[in-house]
Amino acid sequence: NAGVTQTPKFQVLKTGQSMTLQCAQDMNHNSMYWYRQDPGMGLRLIYYSASEGTTDKGEVPNGYNVSRLNKREFSLRLESAAPSQTSVYFCASSDIGGDRVSPLHFGNGTRLTVT
Amino acid sequence: QKEVEQNSGPLSVPEGAIASLNCTYSDRGSQSFFWYRQYSGKSPELIMSIYSNGDKEDGRFTAQLNKASQYVSLLIRDSQPSDSATYLCAVNDYKLSFGAGTTVTVRA
Repeated sequence: NAGVTQTPKFQVLKTGQSMTLQCAQDMNHNSMYWYRQDPGMGLRLIYYSASEGTTDKGEVPNGYNVSRLNKREFSLRLESAAPSQTSVYFCASSDIGGDRVSPLHFGNGTRLTVT
Repeated sequence: QKEVEQNSGPLSVPEGAIASLNCTYSDRGSQSFFWYRQYSGKSPELIMSIYSNGDKEDGRFTAQLNKASQYVSLLIRDSQPSDSATYLCAVNDYKLSFGAGTTVTVRA
């Protein structure tokens, strides 16, 4: 039972390069999220998917695209990386029941450096 | 105004003392509240969830929620060096919003 699995763990890109961060969960959760974490800024939501087939922008979506491939998988794509996208990226999943959001389960993170 | 505000810290407490962490939120309609602990270089892990006004205790941790005052707190009793970490408050509307975190250092 792996929970939330992210790949890769580390990545270095040059400005303008593209890449996709992969995320998969095996908890049968409906909702999946991508956050970025920068020093002193806490976790900021990039995109989320409330259920399979839907995606919505979060707080900081510019420069990113996402795909909810199926219920298990939610990928984040950087089309043209910029140094401002240097950050630690976390994927998470959860379920929603009524008005309540269940706790997020996080992956181990991807440390991305853009030079 | 940020949606979720935490006391900025860092907070340094002696071993065995009580660490008190505070969080305020702006959305009166929020229903779910969480405290996460994050060790340096690791992902956040859930330590407490609270949904109703009042106190909720789990071992050495107590979460307190006051929806009228839009305030949620976390008390860590008998603080241990292993409690040294950053603590994140999270509040939901249709998605979870996180505070910037409070770094706690427990001095042996």
